[in-house]
Amino acid sequence: GENVEQHPSTLSVQEGDSAVIKCTYSDSASNYFPWYKQELGKRPQLIIDIRSNVGEKKDQRIAVTLNKTAKHFSLHITETQPEDSAVYFCAGYSTLTFGKGTMLLVSP
Amino acid sequence: DVKVTQSSRYLVKRTGEKVFLECVQDMDHENMFWYRQDPGLGLRLIYFSYDVKMKEKGDIPEGYSVSREKKERFSLILESASTNQTSMYLCASSFTNTGELFFGEGSRLTVL
Repeated sequence: GENVEQHPSTLSVQEGDSAVIKCTYSDSASNYFPWYKQELGKRPQLIIDIRSNVGEKKDQRIAVTLNKTAKHFSLHITETQPEDSAVYFCAGYSTLTFGKGTMLLVSP
Repeated sequence: DVKVTQSSRYLVKRTGEKVFLECVQDMDHENMFWYRQDPGLGLRLIYFSYDVKMKEKGDIPEGYSVSREKKERFSLILESASTNQTSMYLCASSFTNTGELFFGEGSRLTVL
């Protein structure tokens, strides 16, 4: 099956800093790359996704970049706020495999 | 809004008991999934279904089975619960094979 590696496992930043989380995947057939956010005690929710025909997608303070040649995609959060604190998951979609998650802590 | 409802938020069962976890979605989604979530291991796919009466194994199907008799309902069954099945179980549904997953609130199962 597909292997999805996510780094780092934890990330601590100060409010206002940027945060970057990276995922690598193994299956060249993957063509859809979502990011989910899971706040403490809540269900995961999609925050942004990208398809293989584009290299970057932005939505306000969050963006996702995709490098199909290197088989990695990254989540970028700018001007972080305390409410961004959560666990973030990437996924490789050829086999619906999720990364192990990144716990982001944003300190005021 | 899509609603994915899991029947039980918290369950406590004894080793060897049969456990049913029910999931219902109200958006006529074709695809339904069962994941298990453990600290440090992320979300691991147990089983999924692309249509009524169809099922496919995910990454960790051992010790589990599923049933999808109706489009809106996907059940996860633990035939004989064991302590290593203590976990948070998340059901999800989606409209397409490469589309947004809508998750339920989760069922936290403790097996004693």
